[in-house]
Parts: sequence; structure tokens; C-alpha cells
Amino acid sequence: NAGVTQTPKFRILKIGQSMTLQCTQDMNHNYMYWYRQDPGMGLKLIYYSVGAGITDKGEVPNGYNVSRSTTEDFPLRLELAAPSQTSVYFCATQGYANQPQHFGDGTRLSIL
Amino acid sequence: DAKTTQPNSMESNEEEPVHLPCNHSTISGTDYIHWYRQLPSQGPEYVIHGLTSNVNNRMASLAIAEDRKSSTLILHRATLRDAAVYYCILRDPGTASKLTFGTGTRLQVTL
Repeated sequence: NAGVTQTPKFRILKIGQSMTLQCTQDMNHNYMYWYRQDPGMGLKLIYYSVGAGITDKGEVPNGYNVSRSTTEDFPLRLELAAPSQTSVYFCATQGYANQPQHFGDGTRLSIL
Repeated sequence: DAKTTQPNSMESNEEEPVHLPCNHSTISGTDYIHWYRQLPSQGPEYVIHGLTSNVNNRMASLAIAEDRKSSTLILHRATLRDAAVYYCILRDPGTASKLTFGTGTRLQVTL
């Protein structure tokens, strides 16, 4: 089983460029989440979705956008990349409330 | 969100039990106690969770104090593969089940 798949695994962007981080899941989970993790820190929630067509802001949403047109996909968009967005980005899914979250392997993003 | 307090780091010898403490004095009645761990260069991985009673699974045991203001994750026989950052997280299932990560406890396991 693939579980949660994130692409790309690594990316280097220039300041001001845009890109989309992809997250796809094959577990038919309703809940999906995007986190970022800065060096030596815990994960911080960027955006989340409780189902297709529904998204909401997390703790650090500025500079990002999301959409959830299908159950399987939850892309994260960076419109104008800034050095402060250099981080590791994790996507996670969850079936129902209080069930464990399942994480992808992350996307390591550097903005220079 | 109610907060948790964990030691920054702990060390253990391989094959010995490890007790990872977590304080959560402001826990509410509906908060579940969740533990995740993060191995180097990987995403977090669910370990165990509980509400009031002690819990066991194939990975670990969770001991919850009677007043629920603290809990302990127990790895019965630490291996080198258990070296990771362990996060203790309080989770209210009514708030879209969001997880709020602190900085966790970095567990080092030595031979």
C-alpha cells in the first residue's frame, strides 16, 4: 500500500517563485493536514481539510494556499516563495476523529 | 490548547526499559493523550494513545496518572531503532483532531 505520497522529495526555489507540493493518499481518509517543520522544532499546522471541498487554516497559514477537490489529493501552493518558507513539509491523513494520523515522508524545500 | 512538558533528551541502553515522562497539568476532561515518534529524516509515526486507563500495544505501553495530569510512555526493551524524537500530544477529538506538536524528547539508545 502506498499510503501517503508526497512529491517532490526535494526542491530548491528562488525567492519569488511559486510551486505546488503534492500530497496523495489511497486510504480514503476524510481528514488531511499540511505541516511544516523547521530545524530542531516540532511540526506546525499550516492548513487542514475535513473532507473534499472543505479547508481551514491552521497555526501558520500565511504565504500558502490549499484546495481539496477530491478525497485523494490535497495540494499545497506557495505563490511567492520567501526564505522563511525554507522547511520540511509533511502531509498527513486521518480516517475519523481521534484515529491516528498517517504521515508522508516529507518534502524538503529550500528557498534561496 | 492544553500544553505538555517533556524533557528535551533522554538516554537509554539497548535492551533496557525506557520511561518517557510527560506532564499535562491543564488537561481537559475530553483530551486524549497521544504519543508519536519521529525517526531521523522521516515523518512522525503514531505510537499509542489513551484517555484514562493504561494502554498497551505492540510498540509500547502508556501509563496515565489517576488525576491525568501526567503520563509515561514505556518502551519495554529499547533497541537502536527506537532512537527518535518522541512527542506527547493532547488531542480533543472535537476540534478536527488537530495535533499540536511541541519539541518532544530526543531519545538516544546506546549499545
